[in-house]
Amino acid sequence: DTGVSQNPRHKITKRGQNVTFRCDPISEHNRLYWYRQTLGQGPEFLTYFQNEAQLEKSRLLSDRFSAERPKGSFSTLEIQRTEQGDSAMYLCASSTGMYNSPLHFGNGTRLTVT
Amino acid sequence: AQTVTQSQPEMSVQEAETVTLSCTYDTSESDYYLFWYKQPPSRQMILVIRQEAYKQQNATENRFSVNFQKAAKSFSLKISDSQLGDAAMYFCAYFGNEKLTFGTGTRLTIIP
Repeated sequence: DTGVSQNPRHKITKRGQNVTFRCDPISEHNRLYWYRQTLGQGPEFLTYFQNEAQLEKSRLLSDRFSAERPKGSFSTLEIQRTEQGDSAMYLCASSTGMYNSPLHFGNGTRLTVT
Repeated sequence: AQTVTQSQPEMSVQEAETVTLSCTYDTSESDYYLFWYKQPPSRQMILVIRQEAYKQQNATENRFSVNFQKAAKSFSLKISDSQLGDAAMYFCAYFGNEKLTFGTGTRLTIIP
């Protein structure tokens, strides 16, 4: 169990640029979640996958956001035309999908939009 | 929609003492899970303890225990014999509708 891995750890970008983050879940986990966390707040749900299927998207996930998990393994989260309000920590988590299984979180990617 | 409320933004405790962090939640479901997660300054969210709603017995993990009051929708975390390594943000979370909903967190400071 190598844990959930997220890259990059930090990303600084200028407003209007596109950014992409990657998440590698724990290998046997078929559920993968994306959360966003701003300073002083708890994580907010963005979306989740069951294998390669994206099963739910939060209304927080505007049209500029897209997430994929093409082969049911790693996932990418892309933000197009970034805005300053997108500055946050983006957390990825995975689980086995069984009802009582906890989510295991990665270290997160901190995005700063200047 | 489920909501989770943590009314204590900050708490502090003397090393080796006991501290209790509060959490309340709102749901119309009867079967769900509750979690406490810890987020140290290094950022990674770590599971502390979990409670199944259908179990009346309170969960315990070493120095960590919960007081689960289902009727009151209350789920507090007790940390006994506090250690310097316990300093972190603590988040209460409700698992329902296939996802976790988090509270706003409590920052716990340990006083040496």
